[in-house]
Amino acid sequence: KAGVTQTPRYLIKTRGQQVTLSCSPISGHRSVSWYQQTPGQGLQFLFEYFSETQRNKGNFPGRFSGRQFSNSRSEMNVSTLELGDSALYLCASRPRDRGANSYEQYFGPGTRLTVT
Amino acid sequence: DAKTTQPNSMESNEEEPVHLPCNHSTISGTDYIHWYRQLPSQGPEYVIHGLTSNVNNRMASLAIAEDRKSSTLILHRATLRDAAVYYCILYNFNKFYFGSGTKLNVKP
Repeated sequence: KAGVTQTPRYLIKTRGQQVTLSCSPISGHRSVSWYQQTPGQGLQFLFEYFSETQRNKGNFPGRFSGRQFSNSRSEMNVSTLELGDSALYLCASRPRDRGANSYEQYFGPGTRLTVT
Repeated sequence: DAKTTQPNSMESNEEEPVHLPCNHSTISGTDYIHWYRQLPSQGPEYVIHGLTSNVNNRMASLAIAEDRKSSTLILHRATLRDAAVYYCILYNFNKFYFGSGTKLNVKP
């Protein structure tokens, strides 16, 4: 099986612009989660999508949004970019067909976003 | 939010066992303890998880304290490829809370 893929791998944007990142989960995985990783804050949970619905959300402003399509692919959007949004954005997928408290996530390589 | 505390860094010699500690004093009864590791320039990868009993798999062992307020990830024979940041995570209501992790350096 192919792993989780994320596009693009690298992106440079200017303050005030918006950006859309894409994630393709492992075939058969219906849940997609997004994380932000920065040197200062570490790995922080953004949100999770399952069956095209947002199931969980972390503590991020409304500028961060996402969606999931019927084929489980997911996109994440950040509007009005700020310098502090520069980070590695990671996507993770899982089957979500096990017990809710026992799951193994598969991470993609991430998209490195630089805001100038 | 559930929190975990780990040492910032640890060092080990190749071929020797490594014990990576994690404190999670605010753990609730339904929280699972997960461990992931992140190799340089890669996304995190799953290592092991458990609830109350000690767990073993081909990668590592997980020892969980009786009161569940701490746990230890055990790599039985460290290799150079095990050099990574190891995260101890509590899984709570479908959210993963990553701590700051322990950077493991393996010396040849």
